[in-house]
Amino acid sequence: AQSVAQPEDQVNVAEGNPLTVKCTYSVSGNPYLFWYVQYPNRGLQFLLKYITGDNLVKGSYGFEAEFNKSQTSFHLKKPSALVSDSALYFCAVDPREAGTALIFGKGTTLSVSS
Amino acid sequence: DTGVSQDPRHKITKRGQNVTFRCDPISEHNRLYWYRQTLGQGPEFLTYFQNEAQLEKSRLLSDRFSAERPKGSFSTLEIQRTEQGDSAMYLCASSPPQGIEDTDTQYFGPGTRLTVL
Repeated sequence: AQSVAQPEDQVNVAEGNPLTVKCTYSVSGNPYLFWYVQYPNRGLQFLLKYITGDNLVKGSYGFEAEFNKSQTSFHLKKPSALVSDSALYFCAVDPREAGTALIFGKGTTLSVSS
Repeated sequence: DTGVSQDPRHKITKRGQNVTFRCDPISEHNRLYWYRQTLGQGPEFLTYFQNEAQLEKSRLLSDRFSAERPKGSFSTLEIQRTEQGDSAMYLCASSPPQGIEDTDTQYFGPGTRLTVL
């Protein structure tokens, strides 16, 4: 079965330190990969995506993600965390099959302390 | 453009009642999706429309659930005879037509949180 794994329920970092939120996927073919962020009582906000090309993609608010095809991973990164980055982060995969549904991971709560 | 909007934002109902939610996609987005998100989980796909045609339905969408998009603009999701297990956040997303920039990206609304007592 196709799936997305976010192995950490929570990631804690100090403000100013680099952060990484991990994502691996089990989807055949060449899927599209996404990161979304969710703030309390709000919907999902698109951060960035990988379609093709350079393995390092840059997105909103200084976030970037690195695609690794051999490891089927798409880790979210930021060089210097802000307290305002604290939120729930979701990795999602579009399998590019007949359906168009995104497959989401369970989410990782990022907590940035001052 | 104000993004995807959903109404109501919160709904509390008693078991057995019917509820209906509305989603207004970003203008000119011809593709519309419904997802359900329960606590501690990522969103799960329910159904997909391209214009007014419902092209895909998840097996999560039991016969108590029905979705429509009559004119290819807004969409409604109705749940009949609600059960406590229906309590969740219902999210709507839209994306532009193929050939348009960002056609592969789904943009989400704020969601409707349903509580079934």
